[in-house]
Amino acid sequence: SAVISQKPSRDICQRGTSLTIQCQVDSQVTMMFWYRQQPGQSLTLIATANQGSEATYESGFVIDKFPISRPNLTFSTLTVSNMSPEDSSIYLCSVDRGHDYGYTFGSGTRLTVV
Amino acid sequence: QKEVEQNSGPLSVPEGAIASLNCTYSDRVSQSFFWYRQYSGKSPELIMSIYSNGDKEDGRFTAQLNKASQYVSLLIRDSQPSDSATYLCAVYDSGAGSYQLTFGKGTKLSVIP
Repeated sequence: SAVISQKPSRDICQRGTSLTIQCQVDSQVTMMFWYRQQPGQSLTLIATANQGSEATYESGFVIDKFPISRPNLTFSTLTVSNMSPEDSSIYLCSVDRGHDYGYTFGSGTRLTVV
Repeated sequence: QKEVEQNSGPLSVPEGAIASLNCTYSDRVSQSFFWYRQYSGKSPELIMSIYSNGDKEDGRFTAQLNKASQYVSLLIRDSQPSDSATYLCAVYDSGAGSYQLTFGKGTKLSVIP
């Protein structure tokens, strides 16, 4: 299965600032997915990132708050902009390995906004 | 909107017992189903996938799927303390260009030594 390197693994940020999370996959993939997992909750899809096109955002998530880049088939970034304490979560990137294998996840970024 | 329902638990079982985790889903056209294990502070890891009705066994784990009842379960035999984690049920639908994996809220399992 794919190996996904995600960084940073954790960060503590001041409110009003932005943080960019990076994910590098060891093979080319068409789509990458960004999830948020709030404390004690399950995973919520933020957006789907295709190479060469704008990301597709789920209801409740907007590009101004969570801009995504997908410059090539192995790399993507998610920026959490103008952060508030409500953005404190774990952010995960993932790739789709098909109906036999589901999604593989990066190691996650634990974000705390103070 | 697709929904995946799980009992949030916590589910406590003694070491060596069978743990039974259940999941129901709302979308009849869902094609594949997954169980992920997530340890506290870690990312989810896939432990089982199933897409045909019936049982699928892998070591101590058995996944069961009943599409007519829209029900999928995970049995863990000879439960070990290391099985203590949150188990996420996920439903995958690749129809009509949709590749979304929808997760349940997870069931927290505690295996008591």
